[in-house]
Amino acid sequence: NAGVTQTPKFQVLKTGQSMTLQCAQDMNHNSMYWYRQDPGMGLRLIYYSASEGTTDKGEVPNGYNVSRLNKREFSLRLESAAPSQTSVYFCASSAPYTQYFGPGTRLTVL
Amino acid sequence: GNSVTQMEGPVTLSEEAFLTINCTYTATGYPSLFWYVQYPGEGLQLLLKATKADDKGSNKGFEATYRKETTSFHLEKGSVQVSDSAVYFCALSEPGRGQGGKLIFGQGTELSVKP
Repeated sequence: NAGVTQTPKFQVLKTGQSMTLQCAQDMNHNSMYWYRQDPGMGLRLIYYSASEGTTDKGEVPNGYNVSRLNKREFSLRLESAAPSQTSVYFCASSAPYTQYFGPGTRLTVL
Repeated sequence: GNSVTQMEGPVTLSEEAFLTINCTYTATGYPSLFWYVQYPGEGLQLLLKATKADDKGSNKGFEATYRKETTSFHLEKGSVQVSDSAVYFCALSEPGRGQGGKLIFGQGTELSVKP
């Protein structure tokens, strides 16, 4: 039982490049989330998926797209990376009253 | 809108000292409240939770009581250890959505415990 897994752990991009962050959970949860963590700002919700086949914007969705591929997987895509997207990205899935977080992806955009 | 405010860090304590990290919230209705902990290089882990007013959440020696009258959920521990060094996040789930709902986080408080 791996919980929530994320790939890659680290990534460096140049401005304008694209990439997809992968997330998978093996706990059979319906809801999944993508957050970004920036110093002094806590975690901010980018997108979430309440169930397979649905996605909704969170607090900071601009510059990102998501895909809920199936119940297990929820990916985050940066189509044209910008330096402002340098951050640590966390995926989470939720059971009643508890969210489970992955280990994070540290992304640097030069 | 709903929001969470935590005391700013970093907080530096000596081992066995008493810890308080303040957290207040703004929300319509009655949210569920949480404390998450993030150890260096890791994701967040749920530390404790409270789902209704006057509930006390507790885990690993940490406690927090849901105070509706003061809209607070302060984290306390009687005797901290070096291993408690981490970043602590207070969070609320939007009222009516505690079971798997979106979380709103405070900015985090870094705790450093010295031997």
